[in-house]
Parts: sequence; structure tokens; C-alpha cells
Amino acid sequence: DTEVTQTPKHLVMGMTNKKSLKCEQHMGHRAMYWYKQKAKKPPELMFVYSYEKLSINESVPSRFSPECPNSSLLNLHLHALQPEDSALYLCASSQEGQGGETQYFGPGTRLLVL
Amino acid sequence: QQQVKQSPQSLIVQKGGIPIINCAYENTAFDYFPWYQQFPGKGPALLIAIRPDVSEKKEGRFTISFNKSAKQFSLHIMDSQPGDSATYFCAASIWTGNQFYFGTGTSLTVIP
Repeated sequence: DTEVTQTPKHLVMGMTNKKSLKCEQHMGHRAMYWYKQKAKKPPELMFVYSYEKLSINESVPSRFSPECPNSSLLNLHLHALQPEDSALYLCASSQEGQGGETQYFGPGTRLLVL
Repeated sequence: QQQVKQSPQSLIVQKGGIPIINCAYENTAFDYFPWYQQFPGKGPALLIAIRPDVSEKKEGRFTISFNKSAKQFSLHIMDSQPGDSATYFCAASIWTGNQFYFGTGTSLTVIP
């Protein structure tokens, strides 16, 4: 099973809402990633968790808060977002978190902030 | 600063044609060069990857050509099919590092 699942598929939220995105993998991978992708642009790395510890935070605003409850789950908590945060949010996982590994991406959550 | 430059931005070919997508990098520490394919509504998926110890790698209809001295690599799709219509991203990383650097993407359309 090489599947990364993400819920929800679509999310519409107001600027004062709090919501969470969820990601799950059962490949035994120890690294998980959040990316943000705008239309017709490449994915932009936001966070990397390696062995359930945050190893990379690409200067993402604090209105995005990641959480890794265990090695299979990754959450992204959203609060007080701005319309420019509307994008496709992709989760990915890889074996150990090294640059030479295949990253397996989920289908993404399409977020619209009104 | 864009670590990996990719061109063209978009490409339209007839079925059976051979689209070529080019990428260039500056960081000589990069030693892993994957290509990811993304269909609308899906996440990217690894298509093929190469390390700099070889100049060419083929997997089915997909070939990566790698020129270490020029710091360039390219993807060729032989006998392209409408089902190959997707966005293609090249990337580069350091094998023992911890992140990829994606190119800007190429939207490929294969006309039947």
C-alpha cells in the first residue's frame, strides 16, 4: 500500500474559523511533509516531521500549526487564515526523510478562505 | 532564489511526438534528480529519477538525459500519448539532505 490519504478533500472557511487538515499513511514511513501549492506553481515546502519531531519549518506564519500525533498521522491546524492562503495543501511521506528518497503525495485538500 | 530552473512553461505536442522538458541547476552539491508527474486533482507522483553517475536513464517511454558539466538534465517522453497530458516537475536534492527543490513546472498537452 503506497497510499497517503488526506481529509477533507475540499474546505471552505472564513477568516475567523479554526479548522484542521488530516493526513495518514500506513507505509511505515518516518518522515511526513506539508506542502502548499498554488495553481500552476510547484509545491512549496512548509513543514517536515522526522521521527515525529519537527525538523523543518520554512518560516511559515503561525496561523498554520502542524502536529504529528504519531508516525502515521499528520495534522495541520488552521486559524485566522487570509484569502491568500487559499491553495491546495499536500501531505507527503518518505522512508526516513532523506533527499534521495521517493516522496509519496496524497491527493491534497483544496482550501478556500473567504 | 529558484534553485532549479525549468523550461518550457507549457508544451503542446501531437500524439506520437517527443516532448522534451529541460531543467538546470547551480548547486553542485545536488546529487539526486527526480521528475514528478501531476494530474489535475492529484498529488505529484514520482515518474523517474537519476543520479549523476550516469548520463541517461530509461524507464519505459520516459528517458532522463543528464549533463553534469553543464548542470542540466532533461526529460524525453517517447511516443507521447494523450494520457501523458499532465504537469511535470523536475527537482533536485542532496541525497543525504532533507528536502527537494522543485522546478517551476511544465504543463504538457498531447493532442490526439
